[in-house]
Amino acid sequence: AQSVTQLGSHVSVSEGALVLLRCNYSSSVPPYLFWYVQYPNQGLQLLLKYTSAATLVKGINGFEAEFKKSETSFHLTKPSAHMSDAAEYFCAVRGAPSGGYQKVTFGTGTKLQVIP
Amino acid sequence: GAGVSQTPSNKVTEKGKYVELRCDPISGHTALYWYRQSLGQGPEFLIYFQGTGAADDSGLPNDRFFAVRPEGSVSTLKIQRTERGDSAVYLCASSLLMNTEAFFGQGTRLTVV
Repeated sequence: AQSVTQLGSHVSVSEGALVLLRCNYSSSVPPYLFWYVQYPNQGLQLLLKYTSAATLVKGINGFEAEFKKSETSFHLTKPSAHMSDAAEYFCAVRGAPSGGYQKVTFGTGTKLQVIP
Repeated sequence: GAGVSQTPSNKVTEKGKYVELRCDPISGHTALYWYRQSLGQGPEFLIYFQGTGAADDSGLPNDRFFAVRPEGSVSTLKIQRTERGDSAVYLCASSLLMNTEAFFGQGTRLTVV
């Protein structure tokens, strides 16, 4: 069984401030972890993924996430928020290294608001 | 097309009616997935196709839901006797192979009144 918990359904940051979106996972096997972004009326877009290679993963648009096994966490960060980062962000986990997206479990999402 | 296309983008239907939602995957992608995203929730898996066959339909909530992919490309999600609880955004995704990155469409927002 696998699951992810996203802490905070809404997060507000000022433009230029640090973005930190929290995700904790539970998995009975070594996980693959993902962060997706969803802009209004658009589909999910992959930001980055962890597949057991490097614990610090860099993604698109300046985002990165660090896999911490001891904390079962995969928090998403960006040093300086832009207005264009306002969107909903989903953390997701896949417990099996093989198998497709039918094995992916998504979190409930965090809406990021960027204040000018 | 360049991406996954879903039609219609919005659908309003009356309780008890039948609806069909269409997904055009990226050309050449063999795997196709349907998800349902209810308000305030993340996407939940419904069904997965590999080619023409449904490889995993364990996420379908009940027998009112059915999906087909007869030629291994376009897929249709069919919902019979719709209920207000079926209101959600239905997302489709496709990937080149089973293990590769999936690309999502913009979804169909279904509202049952």
